[in-house]
Amino acid sequence: EPEVTQTPSHQVTQMGQEVILRCVPISNHLYFYWYRQILGQKVEFLVSFYNNEISEKSEIFDDQFSVERPDGSNFTLKIRSTKLEDSAMYFCASREIRGNQPQHFGDGTRLSIL
Amino acid sequence: RKEVEQDPGPFNVPEGATVAFNCTYSNSASQSFFWYRQDCRKEPKLLMSVYSSGNEDGRFTAQLNRASQYISLLIRDSKLSDSATYLCAVNQYGNQFYFGTGTSLTVIP
Repeated sequence: EPEVTQTPSHQVTQMGQEVILRCVPISNHLYFYWYRQILGQKVEFLVSFYNNEISEKSEIFDDQFSVERPDGSNFTLKIRSTKLEDSAMYFCASREIRGNQPQHFGDGTRLSIL
Repeated sequence: RKEVEQDPGPFNVPEGATVAFNCTYSNSASQSFFWYRQDCRKEPKLLMSVYSSGNEDGRFTAQLNRASQYISLLIRDSKLSDSATYLCAVNQYGNQFYFGTGTSLTVIP
């Protein structure tokens, strides 16, 4: 069964540094998403992406964050000037273009900011 | 008001029991609904979509009540392996999905 893959599985970074989290969505999916889950809290929507542009973003997704689809397979989340409170699990998800289809999640990147 | 609300639990039930979770949503124009299962420190995994007429997958039954704006998940004959957090997800409009905080289930031998 096709899967969403994410790398790295764990990223440890000094506060203030930039990180790039990578995702390879399922190949025939055209909607892509990033979510964040702080330990013990809910899954929070960050951004959705379609047709090479952001389609929706949450209040969390401020100027510190950016997304990119640098080639035909990868989908990245860049976090600039990381803060301690950015420590969380970051999940990528994708879904088909057909209406009312569910999202499929990657197994996440655990980001630890020191 | 939160877009999606769930009782966080925890629900502790004996093996073989039947347990039900509800999830309420605020926007009556919500279009699609899903239940996900999340194990500790893992990604959400799709359990089932929720269709207007209700749907069943083995021991799991999902229902949608548009009039009262909630979805439900019923688990029959609970197994130890059902222990997890169950998340509801709602697509209100466009491309944005909202997740509930999750309901924790522990099935006890």
